[in-house]
Amino acid sequence: EIVMTQSPATLSVSPGERATLSCRASQSVSSNLAWYQQKPGQAPRLLIYGASTRATGIPARFSGSGSGTEFTLTISSLQSEDFAVYYCQQYNNWPPKLTFGGGTKVEIK
Amino acid sequence: QLQLQESGPGLVKPSETLSLTCTVSGGSISSSSYYWGWIRQPPGKGLEWIGSIYYSGSTYYNPSLKSRVTISVDTSKNQFSLKLSSVTAADTAVYYCARADYDFWSGLNWFDPWGQGTLVTVSS
Repeated sequence: EIVMTQSPATLSVSPGERATLSCRASQSVSSNLAWYQQKPGQAPRLLIYGASTRATGIPARFSGSGSGTEFTLTISSLQSEDFAVYYCQQYNNWPPKLTFGGGTKVEIK
Repeated sequence: QLQLQESGPGLVKPSETLSLTCTVSGGSISSSSYYWGWIRQPPGKGLEWIGSIYYSGSTYYNPSLKSRVTISVDTSKNQFSLKLSSVTAADTAVYYCARADYDFWSGLNWFDPWGQGTLVTVSS
């Protein structure tokens, strides 16, 4: 099983600042990585797939990078609606064994 | 706009079978480009993939749950369903259904969109 580790667990950021979230895979997943945003009481929302492609309707302040085992989600200028939990997910297995990271909570500083 | 909606009992007794249905609207479940999946999230914890199904009935399950999970599809109703047997308190979670992007070469990919989720509590 590919284990996904996210850091930090909690990130305190002021509105307007830049946030950088990390996701590490226990073995290479190539670029087969997605990022999701989850707000309290809501379902996750797809932000990024293919490590760096924004999903439809996702603002340009969200960007993804990385390949292999190290990935980054950057929010260039945090807006109030961006405070949430963010999860990464790998989809590199065949047969599939899709796994998620433990999440990073982005909170208001 | 594609929408998914979970339905089923919110309370299940230990050792019994959890049964949920996901109804897809705004699009066909019989698309060749997608699988349909179940993901769960215990209260205050992270996400766990349970399994996914194609409109043809082809399934993939999380090996850690495989012995207890059955996912089925009813294309006539545009629905797919989850059965999880022999449940314990550890199966208490919000259960989400979602569409999984699928490509012949790369297989199952990301999930989008998701249903709103339904909380299932296992308790006597």
